[in-house]
Parts: sequence; C-alpha cells; structure tokens
Amino acid sequence: DTAVSQTPKYLVTQMGNDKSIKCEQNLGHDTMYWYKQDSKKFLKIMFSYNNKELIINETVPNRFSPKSPDKAHLNLHINSLELGDSAVYFCASSLRLAMNEQYFGPGTRLTVT
Amino acid sequence: DAKTTQPPSMDCAEGRAANLPCNHSTISGNEYVYWYRQIHSQGPQYIIHGLKNNETNEMASLIITEDRKSSTLILPHATLRDTAVYYCIVSPPYSNTGKLIFGQGTTLQVKP
Repeated sequence: DTAVSQTPKYLVTQMGNDKSIKCEQNLGHDTMYWYKQDSKKFLKIMFSYNNKELIINETVPNRFSPKSPDKAHLNLHINSLELGDSAVYFCASSLRLAMNEQYFGPGTRLTVT
Repeated sequence: DAKTTQPPSMDCAEGRAANLPCNHSTISGNEYVYWYRQIHSQGPQYIIHGLKNNETNEMASLIITEDRKSSTLILPHATLRDTAVYYCIVSPPYSNTGKLIFGQGTTLQVKP
C-alpha cells in the first residue's frame, strides 16, 4: 500500500489558472509537509502542518494556500499560476512534528505554459 | 542554507562499497546527521541518521568521526538501483518546525 500518495502525478496548465494538488498519507502521522523542487533540482520546504495546524510558511507567495481537512490530508491550492511555479511538488509526512525521518510522496510535476 | 558540503558526483562499480563523504564542520552538539537519497523522478527516501555513534540498518552504515565534523555513508554492496542523488543534512532531532534543509547532494552513479 502506498504510504504517501499525491494526485495528479502530472499537471499541465496555462498561466492565470487555479489548480490543486492533493496529498494523502496512510501512516497515521501527525505532521505533513509540502516541498518544491525547481528545475535546478533544489528541494525546498514550503509548508508544514501539524495536526491540521500551520507550522511553517517559508515565505511562499500567498497565491499558494495549503489546506488540511484532517491529519491524513494536506492539499495545495495555487491561484493565478505563473510560469515560475513550474516545478515538482512533493508532499511528505512524519510521525510527529520535528521528527526528521520524513516519508515523501512520488511528486507532482506542474508545468505552467 | 545547507550546513553540509558534499562532492557533486561520484562513481562506484556495481557490487563494491560506495563511500559517500559529508563535511559538517559547524555542526552543533545537539544536531544529528541525516541521510536521504532521491532516485530519478521519485520522492526523497530516508536512509539513516546518527548523532555520534556509528549506525547501521538494512540499507546502509553511517560512520561519524569522533569530532563530528564529517561523516561517511556506506552502501556495502552497491547495485545499479542505488544510482541516485544522496543528501547529507544536519538538523536538531526535535526542532520546533521539522524543517529539513537539502543541499545539492552527491550524484552517485553505480556502473556495471
């Protein structure tokens, strides 16, 4: 069974559109994260949520709005997409906040044209 | 900003041990060394972590020098499937954010 899953795997859309990426973990973890990996392969944290509460917001534009309906889900909604948003987005989870053994999903490759 | 230094790339022959070095000369007393890897087009995968003692699990061994300023990840019998980017990360074990800072890592190419 997949531990951390993301949908969709690929997302191609035009500038100005609004899109969402969904993430689910079946590990019973309290904490979930969103990371962005750009074209140069740098992997950088965007958000972390613990028990549905926002913990980290790494100076991400407010066009990005994470939503955690429950501990097992952390979705990422992006408004007014820009070319620079093109990247691979990874969801991750850990048993508790600040436990650095994190489990990553397969990633969502977002292409904005 | 990453607090570690790794060689950008390394090669290893299949079946041989792969030894991946990491320099973390500014590591603090309570910071652990974590290793992750990212196989092409997949999400990062946790490998191992340690504080000061050597650690071993089913994937790898971690050797940390006595002064804790450097460490080596050892894959004892590398296979082609171990070809990946390997990231060395230092972080306090229980920070209040869970933030992992990934550097550029080492691209390990395992060759037949």
